Amino acid sequence: GESVGLHLPTLSVQEGDNSIINCAYSNSASDYFIWYKQESGKGPQFIIDIRSNMDKRQGQRVTVLLNKTVKHLSLQIAATQPGDSAVYFCAEMGGFKTIFGAGTRLFVKA
Amino acid sequence: KAGVTQTPRYLIKTRGQQVTLSCSPISGHRSVSWYQQTPGQGLQFLFEYFSETQRNKGNFPGRFSGRQFSNSRSEMNVSTLELGDSALYLCASSQDSSSTDTQYFGPGTRLTVL
Repeated sequence: GESVGLHLPTLSVQEGDNSIINCAYSNSASDYFIWYKQESGKGPQFIIDIRSNMDKRQGQRVTVLLNKTVKHLSLQIAATQPGDSAVYFCAEMGGFKTIFGAGTRLFVKA
Repeated sequence: KAGVTQTPRYLIKTRGQQVTLSCSPISGHRSVSWYQQTPGQGLQFLFEYFSETQRNKGNFPGRFSGRQFSNSRSEMNVSTLELGDSALYLCASSQDSSSTDTQYFGPGTRLTVL
């Protein structure tokens, strides 16, 4: 069936380094993708989104890349900070429902 | 604008009981979705409501049900609770009927079934 998955369940980076979190999706018909950040005890928080007619979108310190050829999505966080420590989910939207990946836990070492 | 609110934040029930969770979307948002989050299964879609109508439903048993009111507030109900229903239940709202409209999540209701 349709699925959205992540390559790395955990990622540990040094403060100040760049982080890259990867995600694979299987439904080539999906046209909208979102990255969420979830901190302990909170609901997922929207970070950045991208539509299928784009291959790159930049926000503040974050960039999302979409490669439709290989159905791959990535989130790049520049100059990672301790406050970036959280679980990151990629999600695929279609048919009024959102399918989430398993999540990647990002640890930022000071 | 106030964010998505969910009540109660924490709930403890015993097997066989039923529970009702409430969600108030962001003002002006008409779509409400519910998700179950567990360590083993991650975030799983339960159902989505728009203008008091259920538009989509995930793969959960009939014990899980929901509804939406005319003011867009939503409730979900779980009957005959099982231990495996222990989870964080998240509600998300979005503005309109577009399937690509960004969802904003509430803090969740932590349900523990003993």
